[in-house]
Amino acid sequence: QVQLVESGGGVVQPGGSLRLSCAASGFTFRDTGMYWVRQAPGKGLEWVASIWYDGSHPSYADSMKGRSTISRDNSKNMVYLQMDSLIFEDTAVYYCAKDGWGSLDYWGQGTLVTVSS
Amino acid sequence: DVVMTQSPLSLPVTLGQPASISCRSSQSLVHSDGNTYLNWFQQRPGQSPRRLIYKVSQRDSGVPDRFSGSGSGTDFTLKISRVEAEDVGVYYCMQGTHWPWTFGQGTKVEIK
Repeated sequence: QVQLVESGGGVVQPGGSLRLSCAASGFTFRDTGMYWVRQAPGKGLEWVASIWYDGSHPSYADSMKGRSTISRDNSKNMVYLQMDSLIFEDTAVYYCAKDGWGSLDYWGQGTLVTVSS
Repeated sequence: DVVMTQSPLSLPVTLGQPASISCRSSQSLVHSDGNTYLNWFQQRPGQSPRRLIYKVSQRDSGVPDRFSGSGSGTDFTLKISRVEAEDVGVYYCMQGTHWPWTFGQGTKVEIK
């Protein structure tokens, strides 16, 4: 069965950095686009970044552009989100999700990032 | 970006009664390939989102048939024929036709 397991969240000071990881299993990872979606406390869902199956075409929401880098390692079935220059507004649960042709068909359990001084 | 507008934002429902959520997009969601990539997700309290419906009306495996999706163009609806206690949560529509993909604000379904 499909599994997506995020890790790497934690408490970080404003201006700091974090690298989130997502371990994927149960599907052909190297053929599948991957996404990061976040949810601020008590708020809705916001697409953050995405990457094609082969690591090309990284895309970012305006809110994260220039401060984040999405990457993947198809030999390890892993996708990453490097986040730099973090601000209070980046506090959220970050979900890894799998491309489902115009959809996100599976989501991980999320990892909490808290930006706090 | 395509704006997705859901209504209502809060929906108190009596157990066993129907519920309906509207989702409207700021532009047509018909893709150049002929498909309409409108999705519905359920997020139960404390859980991650789960896809219920894709391409307007296709129900995911394991989703009860009391959930149904309909609509076209810019106007879409998620219906629950008879609300059960396990349906409590927030429901989001999401369009996957135009880049970047965008979500509605969410509709909170609760039991009266």
